[in-house]
Amino acid sequence: DTGVSQDPRHKITKRGQNVTFRCDPISEHNRLYWYRQTLGQGPEFLTYFQNEAQLEKSRLLSDRFSAERPKGSFSTLEIQRTEQGDSAMYLCASSPTGLGEQFFGPGTRLTVL
Amino acid sequence: AQKVTQAQTEISVVEKEDVTLDCVYETRDTTYYLFWYKQPPSGELVFLIRRNSFDEQNEISGRYSWNFQKSTSSFNFTITASQVVDSAVYFCALSEHTNAGKSTFGDGTTLTVKP
Repeated sequence: DTGVSQDPRHKITKRGQNVTFRCDPISEHNRLYWYRQTLGQGPEFLTYFQNEAQLEKSRLLSDRFSAERPKGSFSTLEIQRTEQGDSAMYLCASSPTGLGEQFFGPGTRLTVL
Repeated sequence: AQKVTQAQTEISVVEKEDVTLDCVYETRDTTYYLFWYKQPPSGELVFLIRRNSFDEQNEISGRYSWNFQKSTSSFNFTITASQVVDSAVYFCALSEHTNAGKSTFGDGTTLTVKP
């Protein structure tokens, strides 16, 4: 399978715990994006990478959130001290260029109890 | 700031009817890109089409067609002879050339096609 993959698909955690999600983009894509989607809303941009460089972060990305793409391949998104408001679907996408279509993974659904 | 509005929250049609999903956008850039994505019940967003701001030609792909009008900042999507498998949430999105990489999505239109 050469699509975007995300792990885990579901995560249930208690408030205050840290969680980490992984995204593996399509191998030849140098752009990688993270979005958050809540029920009834469209995806909200969080951050994106060109190769290993993080080029933009949304204001939505508080200091509890951090993302990395250490070797320009897979990426991780960590949320520290989770809050109930962090419950959402976290989507990863990749693209071969900055202005082309994005290819989305299946998402990681986070539930914070 | 870029903004995308999909005023229709939900649409319900009977199979074989035509349906149009509206998308209105706001941007200050003269160069930008517009997209439509489909999110079926399985959840994974699927790319449908991309248009750049210099190409106002309408496009048809099978039962799908898109009408891009810069004068009204609209990029509408029509499904002809709808089918039950078309049932999904459809998102319109915008990327500005000066803010490459950041796509702004509308809140989506949920389309239900009944048999």
